[in-house]
Amino acid sequence: GENVEQHPSTLSVQEGDSAVIKCTYSDSASNYFPWYKQELGKGPQLIIDIRSNVGEKKDQRIAVTLNKTAKHFSLHITETQPEDSAVYFCAATSGNTPLVFGKGTRLSVIA
Amino acid sequence: DTAVSQTPKYLVTQMGNDKSIKCEQNLGHDTMYWYKQDSKKFLKIMFSYNNKELIINETVPNRFSPKSPDKAHLNLHINSLELGDSAVYFCASTSASGKTEAFFGQGTRLTVV
Repeated sequence: GENVEQHPSTLSVQEGDSAVIKCTYSDSASNYFPWYKQELGKGPQLIIDIRSNVGEKKDQRIAVTLNKTAKHFSLHITETQPEDSAVYFCAATSGNTPLVFGKGTRLSVIA
Repeated sequence: DTAVSQTPKYLVTQMGNDKSIKCEQNLGHDTMYWYKQDSKKFLKIMFSYNNKELIINETVPNRFSPKSPDKAHLNLHINSLELGDSAVYFCASTSASGKTEAFFGQGTRLTVV
């Protein structure tokens, strides 16, 4: 089955700097890669997703890149703000199976 | 309106008890899931239901039994609770294709003492 590795497990950045979180997946059949943000005491919420027919997608300060050949995908947050502090999860699925999540990255944005 | 709602939000109970967590979604989705999040924040799939039918049952003890009375509801019943069952349990739903956004409930923090 699918296995998703996520790095780093913790990340601290100064406000205004960029943050990058990287994930790798094992199943070449996976074709949908969402990123979720989980704030304290809440459920994960989708912030951006990408499908395997696209190499990059951007939404304001957030961007995701996908390298199908290397089975890598990454989340990029620019101009970080304190409210970006949360746990971020990458995930992968082929659509026929539930999302398989990475182990999460705790992002701290220091004001 | 809340898309995926689960109750209760907190549940504290003694070892050996039986408890249930309820989940409802008003998104018209066909597929619902239960995930377990441990103390290290790892999200692991437990069950997947599609149109009230069990599709996936990961390696979960028989003490956990999901019930789906209709496609908008997926409840989780746990028998003979153990200390190791303490975790946050999330219900989620998605469209049948699975390749669209999965919506999560707020979670139920279960503490077994």
